[in-house]
Amino acid sequence: DAGITQSPRHKVTETGTPVTLRCHQTENHRYMYWYRQDPGHGLRLIHYSYGVKDTDKGEVSDGYSVSRSKTEDFLLTLESATSSQTSVYFCAISAAGTGSGNTIYFGEGSWLTVV
Amino acid sequence: AQSVTQLDSQVPVFEEAPVELRCNYSSSVSVYLFWYVQYPNQGLQLLLKYLSGSTLVKGINGFEAEFNKSQTSFHLRKPSVHISDTAEYFCAVSDRSGTYKYIFGTGTRLKVLA
Repeated sequence: DAGITQSPRHKVTETGTPVTLRCHQTENHRYMYWYRQDPGHGLRLIHYSYGVKDTDKGEVSDGYSVSRSKTEDFLLTLESATSSQTSVYFCAISAAGTGSGNTIYFGEGSWLTVV
Repeated sequence: AQSVTQLDSQVPVFEEAPVELRCNYSSSVSVYLFWYVQYPNQGLQLLLKYLSGSTLVKGINGFEAEFNKSQTSFHLRKPSVHISDTAEYFCAVSDRSGTYKYIFGTGTRLKVLA
């Protein structure tokens, strides 16, 4: 299994509060991603990173921000959580572009409920 | 930009019958293609991938997929399914250079019936 750890795995928070999800990898992969999974929508890309301090928006980035200060950590922040952000969040990593493979590997997911 | 369409949201099939899960993609550049499986309350696991070469790709658990460039399809097949294949299956596409964004379809829920 790819060395990806997401924390927290489960969280219940109130509307309007800030929330940060952490993704930690031990593979030294350049690319890291945050997806959300919702019934009927599959996985939708929120933000991704292609290096330290290099990030870009995905399909559903509104209401989310990210930071990557170290290769191994990629943080997803909900500045002011809303009920529409109740979802399962997956972190993923990839060694794309290095010649060592283009597979994307997923963490176990973080279940977030906004009440 | 790339997009992926999985036409079937649910596919019921009897045990030991063959199954095909359909995936079509759209892209203005060359792509890599993937199929992932997700069991309940778990993350996604790679089933197989097409990077280059032979258009017929074999994966784990007896699954295979065929890349058809002219029809922009990457359908997943298994000749004989088992109860344990019940899961959700996702098709994904990534561009070959540049952004390396992986775009996923909405998923197909395969239910194998006894």
